Amino acid sequence: GDSVTQMEGPVTLSEEAFLTINCTYTATGYPSLFWYVQYPGEGLQLLLKATKADDKGSNKGFEATYRKETTSFHLEKGSVQVSDSAVYFCALSDQTSGTYKYIFGTGTRLKVLA
Amino acid sequence: NAGVTQTPKFQVLKTGQSMTLQCAQDMNHEYMSWYRQDPGMGLRLIHYSVGAGITDQGEVPNGYNVSRSTTEDFPLRLLSAAPSQTSVYFCASSGRGVEYFGPGTRLLVL
Repeated sequence: GDSVTQMEGPVTLSEEAFLTINCTYTATGYPSLFWYVQYPGEGLQLLLKATKADDKGSNKGFEATYRKETTSFHLEKGSVQVSDSAVYFCALSDQTSGTYKYIFGTGTRLKVLA
Repeated sequence: NAGVTQTPKFQVLKTGQSMTLQCAQDMNHEYMSWYRQDPGMGLRLIHYSVGAGITDQGEVPNGYNVSRSTTEDFPLRLLSAAPSQTSVYFCASSGRGVEYFGPGTRLLVL
């Protein structure tokens, strides 16, 4: 079945450092790919998405490119801030079947130090 | 728009008790889901619904029941709570291919 694998955390960075969180997926169809962010005590919020190969999703300085050849969707940010401290989830949804079922990775906790 | 709302925010149950976690959305989304979040496990799908009157099982449905009588509401029922159901529960609704999450219900089963 479809699956998502993302790097284990926690990831601890200093403010203004470069961030990469790796995410790879397996899917039989043509999924859409997502990054969600969860701040402490809150639900998940969509950070960015990409719906087809070579699409780049971006939001709030974060970027991820849908790489079909490497089945990856790595999250990057050039300069992290303390306010970026959160848990980040990679997810896929194969909506070709019309069911919109999502599969999430286990999450990567990011801690940014001032 | 309130988005997706969940009640209660926190609940403590004793083993064997029953309860219903409430979920409502005001975005007129057909697709709604319930997930549980456990440390190191990410989010796992419990049940989902593609519209009023239609529900189906997700990855971890045992011990949970759902119904969908209206587009807006999608309650999750625990018939006989077990300590293994201690978790954080998220309701979500899906529109334009994006999942919108509620704030979660933290459940502790003693």
